[in-house]
Amino acid sequence: DQQVKQNSPSLSVQEGRISILNCDYTNSMFDYFLWYKKYPAEGPTFLISISSIKDKNEDGRFTVFLNKSAKHLSLHIVPSQPGDSAVYFCAAGIRGSNYQLIWGAGTKLIIKP
Amino acid sequence: NAGVTQTPKFRVLKTGQSMTLLCAQDMNHEYMYWYRQDPGMGLRLIHYSVGEGTTAKGEVPDGYNVSRLKKQNFLLGLESAAPSQTSVYFCASSYLQGLGTEAFFGQGTRLTVV
Repeated sequence: DQQVKQNSPSLSVQEGRISILNCDYTNSMFDYFLWYKKYPAEGPTFLISISSIKDKNEDGRFTVFLNKSAKHLSLHIVPSQPGDSAVYFCAAGIRGSNYQLIWGAGTKLIIKP
Repeated sequence: NAGVTQTPKFRVLKTGQSMTLLCAQDMNHEYMYWYRQDPGMGLRLIHYSVGEGTTAKGEVPDGYNVSRLKKQNFLLGLESAAPSQTSVYFCASSYLQGLGTEAFFGQGTRLTVV
């Protein structure tokens, strides 16, 4: 049973427009969430995180929104740039747990020029 | 600054063979992790370490062993490789664990067991 789901395997967005990547989770115990970005043949790199006590966190062009009642989070990228083309993973964790993050399967974002 | 370096990058093993994957970090991080990534799935934690001389099991530890004899190195061993262990393996390290804590990943090791 996947506790963290990214239901869109891929997403194509025009350069300059907004990219919205979605992530759903089932475990209400998760109290922090992270987004990572991965280019081919490289390891994931940290992008942005959010605590369950917040509903929004912003860092430059990247904003993460958390809807606890719906158990849903989203990553907004505005404006989208060609360098944003990558696979995006969301991950969730529980503070004080055994250091185990639960990861989604990833969404491949393609930015069209 | 190299960050996290994994050795080797690619390997093909025959069923039953053994091998060791090496992870080295130069950021003086306490926490180190080994993950595997399979098609259509997220990363899954195999083993982790919270400091030199410590190791602990993650979500999918069976068939793997680890050692952290030095703070900067975290070794992942396969004693008797099986085709089910064909995967991409990622090592990561972090200064802390938890919200906003950035984990730094190596570039991955693609392992094929035939």
